[in-house]
Amino acid sequence: AQSVTQLDSQVPVFEEAPVELRCNYSSSVSVYLFWYVQYPNQGLQLLLKYLSGSTLVKGINGFEAEFNKSQTSFHLRKPSVHISDTAEYFCAVSFGNQFYFGTGTSLTVIP
Amino acid sequence: EAGVTQFPSHSVIEKGQTVTLRCDPISGHDNLYWYRRVMGKEIKFLLHFVKESKQDESGMPNNRFLAERTGGTYSTLKVQPAELEDSGVYFCASSPKVAGGPREQFFGPGTRLTVL
Repeated sequence: AQSVTQLDSQVPVFEEAPVELRCNYSSSVSVYLFWYVQYPNQGLQLLLKYLSGSTLVKGINGFEAEFNKSQTSFHLRKPSVHISDTAEYFCAVSFGNQFYFGTGTSLTVIP
Repeated sequence: EAGVTQFPSHSVIEKGQTVTLRCDPISGHDNLYWYRRVMGKEIKFLLHFVKESKQDESGMPNNRFLAERTGGTYSTLKVQPAELEDSGVYFCASSPKVAGGPREQFFGPGTRLTVL
């Protein structure tokens, strides 16, 4: 069975500081990995995805994530956050036609 | 290109009433999915359509939920009768037909359902 764990439900960080949002997954087979972001009053928007190839994936808005197969992790990072990054972030794995999501991490950027 | 749209954006109903949620996928996308997020929990899969056929409805909570996809275009999700635990945000997503399975799902803004 597939599952996704986002251990941090809320992450406050000061503007221009770096941030890492953690994601661990459980799967006995190869999966595709995704990070989605939900800005207030908007739908889920794809930040980045790992399908194959390089384990370091770059996404939109300066975010990147690294796939670590041995640790079954796919942590999201940004070297310097902006106020506009305040949002909820969801890690997901896809297996077959289903997506399995974590519980989300609410990132709050403090001026 | 228009994205996935959902209607209504919010719905507040009384326990025992009926509510119908609508999703319009991206034009040409064969795959359509419904998900639900109860407050503070993960986004959970409800069901998957390929065109007008239900491919997987393993996530549907019970028989009070009925999903349809007319002519393989828009989809509706009806809850009848609604219970308090049905409250949450209902997301719709669509994806094109891709060999080996979808690489990405495109999500709508969600419908926030509150059952009082």
